[in-house]
Amino acid sequence: GAVVSQHPSRVICKSGTSVKIECRSLDFQATTMFWYRQFPKQSLMLMATSNEGSKATYEQGVEKDKFLINHASLTLSTLTVTSAHPEDSSFYICSATGQGANEQYFGPGTRLTVT
Amino acid sequence: AQSVTQPDIHITVSEGASLELRCNYSYGATPYLFWYVQSPGQGLQLLLKYFSGDTLVQGIKGFEAEFKRSQSSFNLRKPSVHWSDAAEYFCAVGASDSSYKLIFGSGTRLLVRP
Repeated sequence: GAVVSQHPSRVICKSGTSVKIECRSLDFQATTMFWYRQFPKQSLMLMATSNEGSKATYEQGVEKDKFLINHASLTLSTLTVTSAHPEDSSFYICSATGQGANEQYFGPGTRLTVT
Repeated sequence: AQSVTQPDIHITVSEGASLELRCNYSYGATPYLFWYVQSPGQGLQLLLKYFSGDTLVQGIKGFEAEFKRSQSSFNLRKPSVHWSDAAEYFCAVGASDSSYKLIFGSGTRLLVRP
């Protein structure tokens, strides 16, 4: 099946700094990528949808200036958490889907800890 | 609005026993339905999906699910649970607006007694 990778798998950063998370589709072209946030013992919350070459569409309540999403190529999307604070600590998961695909393929997730 | 309900927050079964995880959805048309499994600190793995056709869907790891339109349900079943099945299980429905979005249920944590 289609493979999606995320990097890094874990990151610790200091409050006020920015951190970038990469999501890559390894063996298919991802026309659409999704970013989710998951709090401990909770479900996945969709943050935004990004289509290659277009601006991301953010879900209600998600700050677009804080969570910058770039989908510059058909195999890479990045999520940058700007001016991170401890409340941004979470598990971030990306997924991707390709042209004509009818399911999302999920990455392994990135654990962000802001100290 | 579309929604997915997983009424059981956690379920404990003995190894070798059968399992059924419940999922109910709210949707106006024929839904795309999915079951995913998540081990701690990991991403999601697709167990099975339903788009159309046979309402009994076979998935990986011996799981199956049955789509029942009359009950708006898509329950996940396994005849004999293994200790390695202990994980979090999420039911999801595909959004109706062709956006490929998924709407997830709150999840059911499966614990397996030896």
